[in-house]
Amino acid sequence: AQKITQTQPGMFVQEKEAVTLDCTYDTSDQSYGLFWYKQPSSGEMIFLIYQGSYDEQNATEGRYSLNFQKARKSANLVISASQLGDSAMYFCAMREALYNFNKFYFGSGTKLNVKP
Amino acid sequence: EAGVTQFPSHSVIEKGQTVTLRCDPISGHDNLYWYRRVMGKEIKFLLHFVKESKQDESGMPNNRFLAERTGGTYSTLKVQPAELEDSGVYFCASSPHATNEKLFFGSGTQLSVL
Repeated sequence: AQKITQTQPGMFVQEKEAVTLDCTYDTSDQSYGLFWYKQPSSGEMIFLIYQGSYDEQNATEGRYSLNFQKARKSANLVISASQLGDSAMYFCAMREALYNFNKFYFGSGTKLNVKP
Repeated sequence: EAGVTQFPSHSVIEKGQTVTLRCDPISGHDNLYWYRRVMGKEIKFLLHFVKESKQDESGMPNNRFLAERTGGTYSTLKVQPAELEDSGVYFCASSPHATNEKLFFGSGTQLSVL
């Protein structure tokens, strides 16, 4: 079974609007971490935001926030006030802390296009 | 501080040939990982080094793939002989500690096997 599911292969958003990228995960561990990475056309994977499974508040980093719904096992990325430079691939990832702690599980990614 | 660097950025080879990918992690990072993304699918774990030792190589597809990390510094991933299904983007990542910390990724090597 897939550990990370990103159901949106591609999305469009108008510049300055907010956009939500979906991510659901599957784990039986109680302790885990959720990550979002951005991959622009240059290819490098850029870390955006992290949410620990025991964190009670949603993580925020500037214009990025993570909508963490533990019971639903979802970790959606919200980008506020989209900019043209936000156009990129976005990957959701999970790291299980107790078992296989050295592995990240990634989704298949969402390609975001920001329209001027 | 230099990030994770990978060489080459692109490689086009014919089926049956050998290709060697190189990764230089961030200085001081004991943990080095190889990942692969094939044909627009999810990014999959290949293996993990702690210094020069292979901690976990459960993701390696088959014995045509050989990874080494001499002296616990840079790492190489050799594919011999390459097959069509090996095409994809190979990412290297490093981290200082194997905890719940983020990984620092390189820009990847785009491998095309014709």
